[in-house]
Amino acid sequence: DSGVTQTPKHLITATGQRVTLRCSPRSGDLSVYWYQQSLDQGLQFLIQYYNGEERAKGNILERFSAQQFPDLHSELNLSSLELGDSALYFCASSAQAGTGGLPGEQFFGPGTRLTVL
Amino acid sequence: LAKTTQPISMDSYEGQEVNITCSHNNIATNDYITWYQQFPSQGPRFIIQGYKTKVTNEVASLFIPADRKSSTLSLPRVSLSDTAVYYCLVGGSYGGSQGNLIFGKGTKLSVKP
Repeated sequence: DSGVTQTPKHLITATGQRVTLRCSPRSGDLSVYWYQQSLDQGLQFLIQYYNGEERAKGNILERFSAQQFPDLHSELNLSSLELGDSALYFCASSAQAGTGGLPGEQFFGPGTRLTVL
Repeated sequence: LAKTTQPISMDSYEGQEVNITCSHNNIATNDYITWYQQFPSQGPRFIIQGYKTKVTNEVASLFIPADRKSSTLSLPRVSLSDTAVYYCLVGGSYGGSQGNLIFGKGTKLSVKP
């Protein structure tokens, strides 16, 4: 158990819909990362937040957005869903922001499996 | 952006040393290198991280040559439980601002008895 929790575990929805994935980082971790894992694209970094502020952006679509709240939990919002958005979405947390020396390890949650029908 | 390339699969036997190499020709000055292990239906798990030269911990070693265009994860004396997918991750920051994080496609390691 990494200490990172993600809800829901599974999500089935239809094209065009909007969903919200939730992540609670390990106690004390200020950084939260979101990743998408699909069979054809592999693991792709989406976005990182540090203590409520966006720190880095990866291959995140405009239809997707995220935020980190004052209690440090984070939400990933996916809208206008398409079949190709079906994937495993992982959240990870780390203690460091990624500035100044090696950032250390990221602790990954169990993931949310999204199926778009 | 750094692009990473690693072998799709590797086979080994219990007790052998396994070396998995990741190529990252366009690695930036501020990029660091991290390796993760992933079992089916689980999130990736950290193995080791480095910036240059050699790093060793209780489970693996990471070799990074001076030009940093590749890195090699070394797993000593693998067991059946090491059967998993191993990912090379390049990016982030080393003394600088956070950047993009690029995962390789992963190397599926199969350890046989």
